[in-house]
Amino acid sequence: DAKTTQPPSMDCAEGRAANLPCNHSTISGNEYVYWYRQIHSQGPQYIIHGLKNNETNEMASLIITEDRKSSTLILPHATLRDTAVYYCIAYTGGFKTIFGAGTRLFVKA
Amino acid sequence: AAGVIQSPRHLIKEKRETATLKCYPIPRHDTVYWYQQGPGQDPQFLISFYEKMQSDKGSIPDRFSAQQFSDYHSELNMSSLELGDSALYFCASSSVAGVAEETQYFGPGTRLLVL
Repeated sequence: DAKTTQPPSMDCAEGRAANLPCNHSTISGNEYVYWYRQIHSQGPQYIIHGLKNNETNEMASLIITEDRKSSTLILPHATLRDTAVYYCIAYTGGFKTIFGAGTRLFVKA
Repeated sequence: AAGVIQSPRHLIKEKRETATLKCYPIPRHDTVYWYQQGPGQDPQFLISFYEKMQSDKGSIPDRFSAQQFSDYHSELNMSSLELGDSALYFCASSSVAGVAEETQYFGPGTRLLVL
């Protein structure tokens, strides 16, 4: 699986959009970009995933650049409950998932 | 919707004791993953099972063993416990095994404290 790089921490004002970047410059053509988040010692929670097209669900949007070397997770209206560690993972299957360092998002009132 | 169930949620053991953690995957999920998360660390992959067979192995100590049973639940057995084994242990399950588009659903974790 390709290595991903994320900023260690970010702040966001409540009600504003949170844009979390992820660099995956060595991603291969069959690797999906997955996002999970972990809220204070709870089990990681699936957010969204994509291959090359932008994706949107009830939680977030995922924007993947045309060359697929980077992506951005967008939480459109961040709330205090979105404070968590966000993990970007480039996944090619294979029964094994490697979590990187993630981004610690602080949503402030 | 049914989620991944882990038991116990909290466990306190003494050094050199044995612990067994259980994981019940989401119904019709046939793949189970185990992760260990030490204090202030990111989840580390330990081992996975698909259709009751071990499918991959990460940084799992030789003192640990695991298996998946016919009903797809899994157990992580930890022997000769050490202080450094104190951690959160997460189980995840998925329904599409080993392919690139595979979403894992995590349980709430078992918090193990070794004294």
